[in-house]
Amino acid sequence: QVQLQESGPGLVKPSGTLSLTCAVSGGSTSSSNWWSWVRQPPGKGLEWIGEIYHSGSTNYNPSLKSRVTISVDKSKNQFSLKLNDVTAADTAVYYCARDLGSSWLYGLGVWGQGTTVTVSS
Amino acid sequence: EIVLTQSPGTLSLSPGERATLSCRASQGVTSSYLAWYQQKPGQAPRLLIYGASYRATGIPDRFSGSGSGTDFTLTISRLEPEDFAVYYCQLYGSSLYTFGQGTKLEIK
Repeated sequence: QVQLQESGPGLVKPSGTLSLTCAVSGGSTSSSNWWSWVRQPPGKGLEWIGEIYHSGSTNYNPSLKSRVTISVDKSKNQFSLKLNDVTAADTAVYYCARDLGSSWLYGLGVWGQGTTVTVSS
Repeated sequence: EIVLTQSPGTLSLSPGERATLSCRASQGVTSSYLAWYQQKPGQAPRLLIYGASYRATGIPDRFSGSGSGTDFTLTISRLEPEDFAVYYCQLYGSSLYTFGQGTKLEIK
């Protein structure tokens, strides 16, 4: 079964760039799935950041679009998140997730365990 | 952008009772785009329901989803101790996912 594992620095300085990677095992980033990033600030709800397809097509949350880049590396079977110009408001648990692979049913069926990123000097 | 509003914010019930959680969309949506998740403290969300009424793999049949248009419901027929958690509804539309603010289901 597909498993996802996030990795990256747990501490990022204000105005810096948050960079995370999601390694995919038991499946392929070349499959007919969209791969997403979702975040959750401490004590708050879930916020979808964006998604990528193996072709490189992306969709982003309009509220973050100006600062976000999601990319995929099929050779390494992983996808990545970059968030520029971070502030304390970007402190959160960041999850990577995979959709259902359906053209008419939507949901995120597989999730990584999440990684905590703190923005602080 | 469509807004999802979940109610109640907190629901206090006892094991064995029936739980009814609501998710209302600010405009009519396609049922196949509506999903429900369960999240326990320190854990990633888990997909429960997709397409408004289809149970995800491994989800017990005490969980059911229903609704159409703007009003959707997650029902847990008989609460088990492990069901006390936070529940989120989610919508896919206009090439983005939107989450509701969540309902906390707590033990009474």
